[in-house]
Amino acid sequence: GAVVSQHPSRVICKSGTSVKIECRSLDFQATTMFWYRQFPKQSLMLMATSNEGSKATYEQGVEKDKFLINHASLTLSTLTVTSAHPEDSSFYICSAKSVWGSSTEAFFGQGTRLTVV
Amino acid sequence: GEDVEQSLFLSVREGDSSVINCTYTDSSSTYLYWYKQEPGAGLQLLTYIFSNMDMKQDQRLTVLLNKKDKHLSLRIADTQTGDSAIYFCAESMYSGGGADGLTFGKGTHLIIQP
Repeated sequence: GAVVSQHPSRVICKSGTSVKIECRSLDFQATTMFWYRQFPKQSLMLMATSNEGSKATYEQGVEKDKFLINHASLTLSTLTVTSAHPEDSSFYICSAKSVWGSSTEAFFGQGTRLTVV
Repeated sequence: GEDVEQSLFLSVREGDSSVINCTYTDSSSTYLYWYKQEPGAGLQLLTYIFSNMDMKQDQRLTVLLNKKDKHLSLRIADTQTGDSAIYFCAESMYSGGGADGLTFGKGTHLIIQP
C-alpha cells in the first residue's frame, strides 16, 4: 500500500517553544491530508483537514493560531504546535488521501508522540 | 454530532474467534472501517465496508454491518498472538469529489491468552 511518513516519531520540547511535525506521502500525491490527535485511552480526534494550496479547515474547538498547518505541496503537510504547553502533550497522527481514482482509503503516518515539559 | 462507540478491551484465547463490536450514530455514514494499531506503529487499514453491504469477508476477517441498528462488527477467525493490537472502528461520509476525515471510536485492545 501507499506510504505516509511522519517525522519526528517522538519529540520532547520545553514549554513555550514551538514544534513542527512533518507528514509526507512518499509514493503518491495527496490533495488532502488530515491531522488527528489522540489522548491516552481516547479516540483519535480530527483536528483539521488540509488541502494543498489552500487554508486548512479546523474542527470546532481547535485553535488555528496554535496549531498551524501548511500544505504547500501534494506530498507534504506540516503541523506546527506553537507556544506548546504540557496540555498539548499527545499523540499526533496524520493521514493522506490519494488524488487518483475513487480511492476511499486514507493512509496513516506512524504518529508523533509530543511531550511538553 | 457523530459518535462511534466500542468497548475498550477484549480478551480471547489463541485459536478462538475474536468479535469486536462497534456502534455508530451517524445514519449518513457511507463507509465504515476497521483499523489496526500495533504498539509504536501507525494505523493500518484492515478492511472497510460500504453502507449498502451487510457482510464482507477477507481471509480471516469478517465484517458484519447492521445498518438498521448502526452496529458494525469485526470477526477474526483463529486468533493468533500477532493479532494482539488495538482495533479502531471508524466511519466517514465520502462526498465524491471531496474527502472527509474519519470519526473514530476509542479503540478495542485485543488481548490474546495462550
